[in-house]
Amino acid sequence: NAGVMQNPRHLVRRRGQEARLRCSPMKGHSHVYWYRQLPEEGLKFMVYLQKENIIDESGMPKERFSAEFPKEGPSILRIQQVVRGDSAAYFCASSPGREAGELFFGEGSRLTVL
Amino acid sequence: GENVEQHPSTLSVQEGDSAVIKCTYSDSASNYFPWYKQELGKRPQLIIDIRSNVGEKKDQRIAVTLNKTAKHFSLHITETQPEDSAVYFCAASIPRGSARQLTFGSGTQLTVLP
Repeated sequence: NAGVMQNPRHLVRRRGQEARLRCSPMKGHSHVYWYRQLPEEGLKFMVYLQKENIIDESGMPKERFSAEFPKEGPSILRIQQVVRGDSAAYFCASSPGREAGELFFGEGSRLTVL
Repeated sequence: GENVEQHPSTLSVQEGDSAVIKCTYSDSASNYFPWYKQELGKRPQLIIDIRSNVGEKKDQRIAVTLNKTAKHFSLHITETQPEDSAVYFCAASIPRGSARQLTFGSGTQLTVLP
């Protein structure tokens, strides 16, 4: 019974390149959340998606960041033209429904921008 | 929006002593309050949670208390052990239309000294 799977676990990009982070939720979960964690800081909400829908993107920067959760395949967090300030751990979490309850986190993708 | 304050940011205790971490929240519509433990380089994992219709919940050495009137909740760890050393995050969940978002505190680095 696989948990939330994220890849890549580590990603190095140069300034101006694109980063794509993937997340497959737990089996049976159709709700996906992305959080960003800067070194020695807390988890900041970015976006909440259901299959083919963005439910809440109030935490997403207005430019360069986008997220999707297609009908088939993993959820993808895309960062265009990365800058050094994008270096962080990006965690994906999933849940089975909209009701308040446990979020199951993946192991995170650690992005380093050179 | 929801704001969650967490204190202290660091906490050191002797093995066998108790540890208490406190959080306050701003939105009275918050109805779910989980606590997550994150070991270095690992994913956050739920250790205990409480809903707004309950004042206290206990699971072995871990307990959480909720004061809805004062809008604060606390994590209590008794008989601490070295393996309890980690970063602990509180969170509060508010319903927003059809969406639910967990807002996290900034974390408490707990060190249990042997």
